[in-house]
Amino acid sequence: LAKTTQPISMDSYEGQEVNITCSHNNIATNDYITWYQQFPSQGPRFIIQGYKTKVTNEVASLFIPADRKSSTLSLPRVSLSDTAVYYCLVGDLNAGNMLTFGGGTRLMVKP
Amino acid sequence: DSGVTQTPKHLITATGQRVTLRCSPRSGDLSVYWYQQSLDQGLQFLIQYYNGEERAKGNILERFSAQQFPDLHSELNLSSLELGDSALYFCASSVRDTYEQYFGPGTRLTVT
Repeated sequence: LAKTTQPISMDSYEGQEVNITCSHNNIATNDYITWYQQFPSQGPRFIIQGYKTKVTNEVASLFIPADRKSSTLSLPRVSLSDTAVYYCLVGDLNAGNMLTFGGGTRLMVKP
Repeated sequence: DSGVTQTPKHLITATGQRVTLRCSPRSGDLSVYWYQQSLDQGLQFLIQYYNGEERAKGNILERFSAQQFPDLHSELNLSSLELGDSALYFCASSVRDTYEQYFGPGTRLTVT
C-alpha cells in the first residue's frame, strides 16, 4: 500500500485557489489516486479520483505528473464552507488494499 | 446527501451491552463498507460486503460482526461493549470494488 505524505494544515482566504499536494513515491502501477473531504462529525465525501494526467469535475481538479509520484488537488475560488480536512488516498481496492485514511490536510479558509 | 442512510444517528448504551447499527446503501450499489472513527485512531476500515458475501476484513474485533441482507442493507453488530468502543461508525457503499465510496452520515455510539 502506497504511503502518502501531505501537509498537516493549510490556510487560505475566500476566493483564492488552493492547491494541496500529496506525495506517494511508492505508488504501484494499478493504484488510483483518490481525494476525500471531511467535515467534523460527518462522513468523508468523495471529491475526485484519477490515474494520470489531469482530471476535472464540478468541484475540483486533480493534477498527476507523468511519474505519478505526487498529485495535486486544486480547489478553485474557495469559500468558508470549504474549511475541512482533505485526505489523499492511493491504492487499488482490487488488490485488496482497503481504504486507509491518514491524517489528512486541515484546510482553514478565512474571510 | 450521499444516498447512504444510517440508523440510528445516536446511540447511548452501557458497557457489556449489545447494539445493532443499520445501513442502507445507495440504490444500485452492491458493496457496503463499515468504518470506525474515534478521536485517537482516525478512520479505520472494519469490514466489506459485496452482494451479500463478506469480501474483506480489516481491524474488526471478534466482538463485532456484520452481515448484508438480500435487499443489500447491512447491519453491524457490536457486543460486550467497552468504553473504548465509543466512536463514530460510518457505512459507505459503492457499485464495485473501488476507492470511490459514498459515506453515510454515521452513527455516534457512546458507551457509558
